[in-house]
Amino acid sequence: EPEVTQTPSHQVTQMGQEVILRCVPISNHLYFYWYRQILGQKVEFLVSFYNNEISEKSEIFDDQFSVERPDGSNFTLKIRSTKLEDSAMYFCASGGTRGYQETQYFGPGTRLLVL
Amino acid sequence: AQSVTQPDIHITVSEGASLELRCNYSYGATPYLFWYVQSPGQGLQLLLKYFSGDTLVQGIKGFEAEFKRSQSSFNLRKPSVHWSDAAEYFCAVGAGAGGTSYGKLTFGQGTILTVHP
Repeated sequence: EPEVTQTPSHQVTQMGQEVILRCVPISNHLYFYWYRQILGQKVEFLVSFYNNEISEKSEIFDDQFSVERPDGSNFTLKIRSTKLEDSAMYFCASGGTRGYQETQYFGPGTRLLVL
Repeated sequence: AQSVTQPDIHITVSEGASLELRCNYSYGATPYLFWYVQSPGQGLQLLLKYFSGDTLVQGIKGFEAEFKRSQSSFNLRKPSVHWSDAAEYFCAVGAGAGGTSYGKLTFGQGTILTVHP
């Protein structure tokens, strides 16, 4: 069964460093998403992406964050200058071909720790 | 704005007992509703979803949920719990047909299920 994959599974970085989190969505999907879950808190929406453009972003998704689909298979989340409060589990999701109102399938997540 | 409330942070049941996890949502139009499960160290696995039609939906692992528009609820049920069901369960709401959200899902805070042998 097709699944979303994410790398790395864990990343430790120093405050102020740049990190890139990678995701490989399900191959025929066109709609992509990033969410994050700070330890003990809700899963929070960050951004949705379609046709090489951001469709919607939350207030969390400030100028330090960017997303890209550099080739036909990867979908990346970049944090330019990490802060302590960026420590969280980051989930990538992909969903369908017909529109935003489709089931989203989540990857296993990348646990980011900023020291 | 859409929101989801899961009133129970932690529920403990005995193996073989029935289970009901509560979910209440707030959304101005027709919602899409989901239940996801997360085992420790794992990602979010879809259990079931409601888009339209029959308000009682069946999912994987013997779970079902009922959409009650009048109560703004989408409670998850299982008639007989297995030890392997121990996990954290998340209810989520998204914009339904005619909605303007670009796929954003709003999650509840989760309910941790502990199963005693």
